[in-house]
Amino acid sequence: EAGVAQSPRYKIIEKRQSVAFWCNPISGHATLYWYQQILGQGPKLLIQFQNNGVVDDSQLPKDRFSAERLKGVDSTLKIQPAKLEDSAVYLCASSLDWDSPLHFGNGTRLTVT
Amino acid sequence: GESVGLHLPTLSVQEGDNSIINCAYSNSASDYFIWYKQESGKGPQFIIDIRSNMDKRQGQRVTVLLNKTVKHLSLQIAATQPGDSAVYFCAENMRGGGADGLTFGKGTHLIIQP
Repeated sequence: EAGVAQSPRYKIIEKRQSVAFWCNPISGHATLYWYQQILGQGPKLLIQFQNNGVVDDSQLPKDRFSAERLKGVDSTLKIQPAKLEDSAVYLCASSLDWDSPLHFGNGTRLTVT
Repeated sequence: GESVGLHLPTLSVQEGDNSIINCAYSNSASDYFIWYKQESGKGPQFIIDIRSNMDKRQGQRVTVLLNKTVKHLSLQIAATQPGDSAVYFCAENMRGGGADGLTFGKGTHLIIQP
């Protein structure tokens, strides 16, 4: 099966600019997650979708981050405006359902200068 | 084989030896645990999982042990190979009841020496 697809692979922006990341999960996977991984740390959950509904966004900095999964398939994560501390790898993961292991994409590496 | 303490950022082992990577989890209510392997420039890759009603589970060359009494999880890799070089993360579902909302540990960088 094809894996989780993410784009772009890398992105460099200046602080206060906006950026968007795209994720296409594994076909048929109902649950989709966005994680933030700062260098040297484990991934941290930002938001979880079940189909097109949000299950958990308690750790999403909602003043600058937003995410959507309008048709219950692919998803976008946006940061507006970006800060220096947003520099990280943004990982998308999907799972068949809430009780199945997560499959991760290779992430988007964001550098904010 | 080589055993380590609860968490070491780096573990160096000889090729062919057994590796043991340890992890302490935080929530006694967590009932699902996963080990992931992350190679440089890639996303985490699922290795093996275990539920709280088990204390041991085996895969191909890997074994996960769960000690709920002391909230300790370990990953054993048999006959370590160069391709095993990566950062290994344990993750727990602190909510209980499934694989969603995983919380990841700090990771251990496994280095294989020839």
